[in-house]
Amino acid sequence: SQQGEEDPQALSIQEGENATMNCSYKTSINNLQWYRQNSGRGLVHLILIRSNEREKHSGRLRVTLDTSKKSSSLLITASRAADTASYFCATRDSSYKLIFGSGTRLLVRP
Amino acid sequence: DTGVSQNPRHKITKRGQNVTFRCDPISEHNRLYWYRQTLGQGPEFLTYFQNEAQLEKSRLLSDRFSAERPKGSFSTLEIQRTEQGDSAMYLCASSYSRSGGADEQFFGPGTRLTVL
Repeated sequence: SQQGEEDPQALSIQEGENATMNCSYKTSINNLQWYRQNSGRGLVHLILIRSNEREKHSGRLRVTLDTSKKSSSLLITASRAADTASYFCATRDSSYKLIFGSGTRLLVRP
Repeated sequence: DTGVSQNPRHKITKRGQNVTFRCDPISEHNRLYWYRQTLGQGPEFLTYFQNEAQLEKSRLLSDRFSAERPKGSFSTLEIQRTEQGDSAMYLCASSYSRSGGADEQFFGPGTRLTVL
């Protein structure tokens, strides 16, 4: 079963706008990771944030983590049409498996 | 190519047949994972190996499923007596364990299985 939920399930924005996706999870975690998946393809690792970190940046990506609320957010700034994809958060607890949410489908309109 | 590779990329089979998928991880990675993804859902964990040892199996992995990693390098996932409900994308990932546990998993392109 899925660990958590992404919100919104789908998001449509204009190129150049920012996109924010949220992820909630249920159990204690070691780290939380965000992945991107283009239609019908494998997952691409975007960013990892450890449980003792609150914010992390990578290029146009900004991730926050609030362990007290068991939630994370992914912000993509200055979106591009090529950012169109599904975005998944995945949590890792004391074991090594990842537990994924159900994803946010992002459409960036040119 | 230093990424995770999977073969075949697509497999169509008839119900009741056996299928086997192969995953070649990134060469220095000691952990290997199998996930299954159905349409519109996130991947679900099936099993993982550290070197050649299978350390965890999901309840999703019924007795028709078996995975091996005989020499701690490539892995195979076999499904016996396939059922239509087995139709999914089967994803393999690998990672290198390091202190602090921040081991990113790198995914292969997946094998799409269709059971007719």
